[in-house]
Amino acid sequence: NAGVTQTPKFRVLKTGQSMTLLCAQDMNHEYMYWYRQDPGMGLRLIHYSVGEGTTAKGEVPDGYNVSRLKKQNFLLGLESAAPSQTSVYFCASIMKGGQPQHFGDGTRLSIL
Amino acid sequence: AQSVAQPEDQVNVAEGNPLTVKCTYSVSGNPYLFWYVQYPNRGLQFLLKYITGDNLVKGSYGFEAEFNKSQTSFHLKKPSALVSDSALYFCAVRDMGRPDMRFGAGTRLTVKP
Repeated sequence: NAGVTQTPKFRVLKTGQSMTLLCAQDMNHEYMYWYRQDPGMGLRLIHYSVGEGTTAKGEVPDGYNVSRLKKQNFLLGLESAAPSQTSVYFCASIMKGGQPQHFGDGTRLSIL
Repeated sequence: AQSVAQPEDQVNVAEGNPLTVKCTYSVSGNPYLFWYVQYPNRGLQFLLKYITGDNLVKGSYGFEAEFNKSQTSFHLKKPSALVSDSALYFCAVRDMGRPDMRFGAGTRLTVKP
């Protein structure tokens, strides 16, 4: 059982480039989330989805877009990368209700 | 609105001593509360949660946490710390009825032999 899988694990981009981070879960979870983790700031929610075809903004959505075309996948896009988006990105999922989130191992993204 | 505060960036304890990692929260309604642990280069791992019921919650690896509604706190505790407990700990809150969660800034626990 893979749980939550994030690809790629590492990436270096130049300012202005675009890329897509993929999150896949095999637990049939309804809700999925994208976070960024920066030193001293904990995890901040970028976007989330409560079901296939639905997305919503979190705390820090600017500069990011997301899509949930299939229930098991949640994509995070950077249209024009900026150095301020250098971070570690985590995806998480839950079924519903008061269950704890299951996390992937993260994508380390550096933007030069 | 929902928010979490972890007032200590760093907690240092000696192996075998009790440890406490503090967390306070703010929500509009009733809270779901969680503790997670993060080891280097890994995602967050679930330790324990409070939903309803007994205010003392027991979780993985001998950790426990006490929900205090009047003080809006959910401190993480362990009676006897191990060196292997050294990691980054996050408290999180979710207002019941909301789909999103808020995390604290994290507390780095160091247990010295």
